[in-house]
Amino acid sequence: GAGVSQSPRYKVTKRGQDVALRCDPISGHVSLYWYRQALGQGPEFLTYFNYEAQQDKSGLPNDRFSAERPEGSISTLTIQRTEQRDSAMYRCASTQGVNPPVKRETQYFGPGTRLLVL
Amino acid sequence: SQQGEEDPQALSIQEGENATMNCSYKTSINNLQWYRQNSGRGLVHLILIRSNEREKHSGRLRVTLDTSKKSSSLLITASRAADTASYFCAEDTGFQKLVFGTGTRLLVSP
Repeated sequence: GAGVSQSPRYKVTKRGQDVALRCDPISGHVSLYWYRQALGQGPEFLTYFNYEAQQDKSGLPNDRFSAERPEGSISTLTIQRTEQRDSAMYRCASTQGVNPPVKRETQYFGPGTRLLVL
Repeated sequence: SQQGEEDPQALSIQEGENATMNCSYKTSINNLQWYRQNSGRGLVHLILIRSNEREKHSGRLRVTLDTSKKSSSLLITASRAADTASYFCAEDTGFQKLVFGTGTRLLVSP
């Protein structure tokens, strides 16, 4: 596709359920990022991948959150045993490459998945 | 929170007026970027200014950067109703993740 796509666009779940959020980056983009955005705030970094390797997961709030990108393309962010405080917009972004730095400077964002935990 | 701060939090102007948004950040940067977020849509990259640049233009956008004050400003000239959106600055510290500010909500009335 032409841009980053995410699915589902909206997800309503009950507390305690697991959810899986999907991100399909721009074709050929090397790096993929996950952010979480609370209402009225800017996005906050969660984790990122270069190809299939998870390079930094320092932003994941706790061990209920995990992400994978097994083939270096599509990525899944999984939240286990969801809690109401997990409700937010989850955004994915991708960049063209890693080197030279100019190839990774502009992040292209998807439309996001709005998660509501009841 | 590591997020930078933007001011004002909200700005309401008439079409044709200029809009200025300010961003203060906390760390040393490689570059600073500005993004726009329309209601119901994703974040769109607007402009990037490198740490060794002081001013940059793109169409109706002008960005300035003062690394000594760790601050940046975004000026939108001759605003249009379609400019109504939230605007975020984002620090690129070189560790391949962006640190976003808290955003400015801009409303441009016809």
